[in-house]
Amino acid sequence: NAGVMQNPRHLVRRRGQEARLRCSPMKGHSHVYWYRQLPEEGLKFMVYLQKENIIDESGMPKERFSAEFPKEGPSILRIQQVVRGDSAAYFCASSQRTTSPGELFFGEGSRLTVL
Amino acid sequence: AQTVTQSQPEMSVQEAETVTLSCTYDTSESDYYLFWYKQPPSRQMILVIRQEAYKQQNATENRFSVNFQKAAKSFSLKISDSQLGDAAMYFCAYRSSGGSNYKLTFGKGTLLTVNP
Repeated sequence: NAGVMQNPRHLVRRRGQEARLRCSPMKGHSHVYWYRQLPEEGLKFMVYLQKENIIDESGMPKERFSAEFPKEGPSILRIQQVVRGDSAAYFCASSQRTTSPGELFFGEGSRLTVL
Repeated sequence: AQTVTQSQPEMSVQEAETVTLSCTYDTSESDYYLFWYKQPPSRQMILVIRQEAYKQQNATENRFSVNFQKAAKSFSLKISDSQLGDAAMYFCAYRSSGGSNYKLTFGKGTLLTVNP
């Protein structure tokens, strides 16, 4: 039973380019969460999605960032016109349900470096 | 808003010894969940242990145990018989049992070194 799969593991972009990070949740999980880990920091919540719906995007920067979880395929975190401050590790997690004590399963993260 | 504070940026322990990692949190809620996650160099977040606030008994998972002091809002992690594989970044995290119960609030982490 594969865990949460994220790709790419490492991504290098130049300022102004676009970054796309993909996340396939665990089998049977319909809830996906994205977290960002800046250097020397803990993970911070960005967005919570269910299939075809954004439930809570309160942690997403207002501009350049978007997320989707289509009916078919992985969840995508998209960062347009990247800047150096976007350099971070982006983690995806999934769960079967949100009611406690549902557990979140994390992927190995995607490390974005902006040159 | 809830906050989680880990006051020890780094800790070290000798192999086979015991170490305690500190965590305090701030919340106005009475029911919630607390977690310790381990992040080894591979960067994957691994759940170590979980505590429900309504349970008075401290959680235990093999060599890992917690000291949960609800009144003091303290949630420390004790690692007994430390092993080289325990070396990692450890994050304390809080999760509400109420409305936004899908959000984890993390501390900044404690880097644990295990010396042979």
